[in-house]
Amino acid sequence: AQSVTQLGSHVSVSEGALVLLRCNYSSSVPPYLFWYVQYPNQGLQLLLKYTSAATLVKGINGFEAEFKKSETSFHLTKPSAHMSDAAEYFCAVQNSGYSTLTFGKGTMLLVSP
Amino acid sequence: DAGITQSPRHKVTETGTPVTLRCHQTENHRYMYWYRQDPGHGLRLIHYSYGVKDTDKGEVSDGYSVSRSKTEDFLLTLESATSSQTSVYFCAISESIKGYEQYFGPGTRLTVT
Repeated sequence: AQSVTQLGSHVSVSEGALVLLRCNYSSSVPPYLFWYVQYPNQGLQLLLKYTSAATLVKGINGFEAEFKKSETSFHLTKPSAHMSDAAEYFCAVQNSGYSTLTFGKGTMLLVSP
Repeated sequence: DAGITQSPRHKVTETGTPVTLRCHQTENHRYMYWYRQDPGHGLRLIHYSYGVKDTDKGEVSDGYSVSRSKTEDFLLTLESATSSQTSVYFCAISESIKGYEQYFGPGTRLTVT
C-alpha cells in the first residue's frame, strides 16, 4: 500500500530564508506525486505534481520539488520565504489503480519577519 | 478555479440526526471524492465516485454513505451523526486518474453536539 511521511508537523523560517519541506513516500507502482497548499479556512490548492516527465518540477509561487527515486523522496523547496507562504502543505501519492490519493499529515509552515 | 461548490458551508447538528452534505461541480469531471480533515490526521478519504451511480469506499467509510445520481452532484450522508464525525469535509473532483490532480472545494465545517 502507498504511504506518505512528512517530516515535521511544523517548520519555522524567517522571511527570505530557504524553505525545505520533506516528503518521503512508499509506492508499489511508479509514483505520481503531488504537493498541495492550504491557506486558513480554504480548500487545498495544487502547487505542483510529478508525473515522470522530469525529476525537477516547478510549481506556482516559486516552489519546486525534486523527485529522487533512490531516496523515495519528493521534498518541496523555495529559495526565499515570503510572509504569504505561511500555510499548511500536504504531500500526496497516487495509489495503485490511480483512482485515489494518500495524503501525508501535513506540515505547517510558519514565516517570521 | 475549478467550479466546485459545497453546501452547507457550516452546520451544527445534534447527535443522532441525519445530515447530508452536497458537492456540486460545473466541470463535468468523472471522478468525485469526499474527504474529512482532522488535526494530526491530514486528509482521509471517505468515499469516491468514478461515474454516475458508481461509488467505492475509502479509508474511513464507516458511518457514511454517498450517492451520485448526476455527473455534477455527489452527496455525502451521515445516517446518524456522532460527535466523532465533527470535522471539516472536503469534496474534490478529477478529470481522470493516472497522473491527474484533484481539485478541491471550499469545505464544510460540521459540528455534532
